[in-house]
Amino acid sequence: ETGVTQSPTHLIKTRGQQVTLRCSSQSGHNTVSWYQQALGQGPQFIFQYYREEENGRGNFPPRFSGLQFPNYSSELNVNALELDDSALYLCASSPVGVAEAFFGQGTRLTVV
Amino acid sequence: EDQVTQSPEALRLQEGESSSLNCSYTVSGLRGLFWYRQDPGKGPEFLFTLYSAGEEKEKERLKATLTKKESFLHITAPKPEDSATYLCAVQPIYGNNRLAFGKGNQVVVIP
Repeated sequence: ETGVTQSPTHLIKTRGQQVTLRCSSQSGHNTVSWYQQALGQGPQFIFQYYREEENGRGNFPPRFSGLQFPNYSSELNVNALELDDSALYLCASSPVGVAEAFFGQGTRLTVV
Repeated sequence: EDQVTQSPEALRLQEGESSSLNCSYTVSGLRGLFWYRQDPGKGPEFLFTLYSAGEEKEKERLKATLTKKESFLHITAPKPEDSATYLCAVQPIYGNNRLAFGKGNQVVVIP
């Protein structure tokens, strides 16, 4: 039990639509990162938030955006969904001063 | 660019048959190397962090080791419940604490 909770667990969207995925981490975890994991691949870093500010971004287009809130929750928003966006989206949070990242159970997004 | 290569991609073991998984990495300064276990459709579960060459960590039937270029995850006398995908990730010393993952080692332990 990592204390990181993601919602929803599964989601089906149509190409061109927009989606918001949510993550709730433990008190004191001031860093949250989002990863995309395609089938059969390792997780790919999307971006990270630290104290509600974006703190680094991977090779993902601007239609992937995020927010972090004071209550340690976070959102990942994806606009203009494409078929290739179908993947498991993972949220990971880290306590203050700790290198390890603890993952939620993920949201499986299917774009049709 | 940080790169992580894991081998073999897939491995079938008989229960009790020990084996090792390899993670080769290239990173511009290593802050830490991480091993995670992932069950199908679930998020990765943290196993170990290794920080410097020569370091070893153990947990039940798993033992992780680190050199300057690679890490090994040794599975001793595996049981069917050890069946999972094992992910290796590196965290560079510069910048934020993002993780660069390999594709994973898919392990199946047959009773």
